[in-house]
Amino acid sequence: QVQLQESGPGLVKPSQTLSLTCTVSGGSISSGSYYWSWIRQPAGKGLEWIGRIYTSGSTNYNPSLKSRVTISVDTSKNQFSLKLSSVTAADTAVYYCARASSSGYPSYYFDYWGQGTLVTVSS
Amino acid sequence: QSVLTQPPSVSGAPGQRVTISCTGSSSNIGAGYDVHWYQQLPGTAPKLLIYGNSNRPSGVPDRFSGSKSGTSASLAITGLQAEDEADYYCQSYDSSLSGEGVFGGGTKLTVL
Repeated sequence: QVQLQESGPGLVKPSQTLSLTCTVSGGSISSGSYYWSWIRQPAGKGLEWIGRIYTSGSTNYNPSLKSRVTISVDTSKNQFSLKLSSVTAADTAVYYCARASSSGYPSYYFDYWGQGTLVTVSS
Repeated sequence: QSVLTQPPSVSGAPGQRVTISCTGSSSNIGAGYDVHWYQQLPGTAPKLLIYGNSNRPSGVPDRFSGSKSGTSASLAITGLQAEDEADYYCQSYDSSLSGEGVFGGGTKLTVL
C-alpha cells in the first residue's frame, strides 16, 4: 500500500520561500508510470492543483503559480519536493502531495494522497 | 472561479438518491478528457471515488456512480447514508492556459 507523508515548516514569513517534502513509502517512486503532484486547499475553500513531476524530472505547473513554483524529485530518497517563492498570506493553505495515475493520456487522477500539512504565511 | 462548475450544495434524506453536476467546456470535459471524483470528509484528505468517468476504485460502494456527456459529468449517490455527508470534487484535464489539473469548486452534500 503506497503512503505519502508531507513534511516541512508550518509557518513561513511573507516574501520567503515555502519548502515542503513528500516522502513516499510502500513502493518505489521510480516504478510505474506515475506523476507526483502537489495540491493545496485554503481553509474553507476548494482544491488547487499546483504542479506535478515525472521521475524523469519533467514538470508541469499551474500557470497562475508557474513563476514561483519549483517541484523536484530525489529518487534515492523516494521523495519529491515543492518550493514556492515570494509567499504572501494568500498562500496559506493545507498542502497535499499526491500520486497521479493515468486514465488514458493525457488524463490522470490522484489515487493516493498524503494527510496534508498546514502552512501559514505570517510574520 | 473554478474552471469546472459544481453546485455549492446539495442535500437529501437518508435512502434517497442525489446527483452532483460538474460542468466544463470544450477545453476539458467537452474535449473528451476523463472526469474523476473525490470525496473529502471533514478534516481529512480527499479520497478518490470515481476515476475515468465511471470507474470505482476497490472498496468504493456501488452506491456511487459517475457518468459523462458532452461538456458535463455527474456523480450519483443512491441509498444516501449519514456517512456520505462530505465535500465532493470533480477533476479533469484542461488543455488551455488554465493548466492541466483542474478541479471543480466542490459541492457540500448534507444528509438531512
